[in-house]
Amino acid sequence: GALVYQYPRRTICKSGTSMRMECQAVGFQATSVAWYRQSPQKTFELIALSTVNSAIKYEQNFTQEKFPISHPNLSFSSMTVLNAYLEDRGLYLCGAREGFSSYEQYFGPGTRLTVL
Amino acid sequence: GQQVQQSPASLVLQEGENAELQCNFSTSLNSMQWFYQRPEGSLVSLFYNPSGTKQSGRLTSTTVIKERRSSLHISSSQITDSGTYLCAMEHYGNEKITFGAGTKLTIKP
Repeated sequence: GALVYQYPRRTICKSGTSMRMECQAVGFQATSVAWYRQSPQKTFELIALSTVNSAIKYEQNFTQEKFPISHPNLSFSSMTVLNAYLEDRGLYLCGAREGFSSYEQYFGPGTRLTVL
Repeated sequence: GQQVQQSPASLVLQEGENAELQCNFSTSLNSMQWFYQRPEGSLVSLFYNPSGTKQSGRLTSTTVIKERRSSLHISSSQITDSGTYLCAMEHYGNEKITFGAGTKLTIKP
């Protein structure tokens, strides 16, 4: 079956430092990977969508300079939170899909980021 | 404006009662997914339901595209059904997925 792994599951970083998280698709080829953030007491917000053979599209309020994403192959993606501050804390989820549109998106368990 | 409106925000029921959760969307839909969010945050996929009705045990999801709504019905609720339920819609024409704000369901004995 299709599985998505995320690493690490939990991480703590000091304010102003950076933190990299990874997303691995197993059992299928992820033609698109989306990264989301759930801030405390809020729902998930889309950060960016990375589709194979296309540029990574960032949502309003999220930039490549702050959240650089790498999607080097069809099974792996990573995202870094640069210069993390308190407002960056939350649960970061990656969702991966095989195929284009009209296909279920599979989600990883998330990386919970705490910023001290 | 908000493209996915989930209701109610919270729901408290007695064990054995039925729960009805709703999602309304304001733009054209490609697909709808329903999730249960575990206390530690990870998502459990309940339904991938672009249209029509799907059932799994005590859970039923119905998506009516024309009416721009999707519902999740839980019959004979149990205490273990308590938690947060999220709907997520994929917009027609792109692959963006927007989550609803969630329904916090509490089932009392």
